[in-house]
Amino acid sequence: DAGVIQSPRHEVTEMGQEVTLRCKPISGHDYLFWYRQTMMRGLELLIYFNNNVPIDDSGMPEDRFSAKMPNASFSTLKIQPSEPRDSAVYFCASSLSGGTDSNQPQHFGDGTRLSIL
Amino acid sequence: AQSVAQPEDQVNVAEGNPLTVKCTYSVSGNPYLFWYVQYPNRGLQFLLKYITGDNLVKGSYGFEAEFNKSQTSFHLKKPSALVSDSALYFCAVRDSFSNYQLIWGAGTKLIIKP
Repeated sequence: DAGVIQSPRHEVTEMGQEVTLRCKPISGHDYLFWYRQTMMRGLELLIYFNNNVPIDDSGMPEDRFSAKMPNASFSTLKIQPSEPRDSAVYFCASSLSGGTDSNQPQHFGDGTRLSIL
Repeated sequence: AQSVAQPEDQVNVAEGNPLTVKCTYSVSGNPYLFWYVQYPNRGLQFLLKYITGDNLVKGSYGFEAEFNKSQTSFHLKKPSALVSDSALYFCAVRDSFSNYQLIWGAGTKLIIKP
């Protein structure tokens, strides 16, 4: 089975440019998560969706960041304008709902390594 | 407040020896505990989870973890380490009352030396 697919795998761009990261979750999964990983801050949850609806975006660092999920098979994370401190690895993950038990594991993509010059 | 602690930034083990990667947690309800592994330039991969039942949980690649409620710990173990086990290991927790958001530990780098 195909796992979570992220694109691009690497992105290098100049400060001020718009960056769009893409994610295709595992088919049938109804939860989608966007994470950011840095050496300094570790793994941070940015936002997550349930059935394409954003549930918690409290981890989004600032208004420069936005995320959408127009359908069950696609999500984007956009940074506009980008800044050097946004440089990180961004991960998308998806999972099945577990009813009230919420015990389903998250499945991660291989991430997008973003460098803002 | 929920929290997870991985007290060791790095663990060094000789190949063939047993390994332990430590994790302690704090939640208000019943804990759901997870271990994930991350290899270089890859996403996190699920290893195992504890939801309820037997305190010893077996997972992928020969790993197991022991849930200890009194010590609020969920240490990851393997009887005989392989060089290929070298990676970054993350512990995560969610309590039974919360939403689907996991609380993640900072990660422990495991180095297995030949």
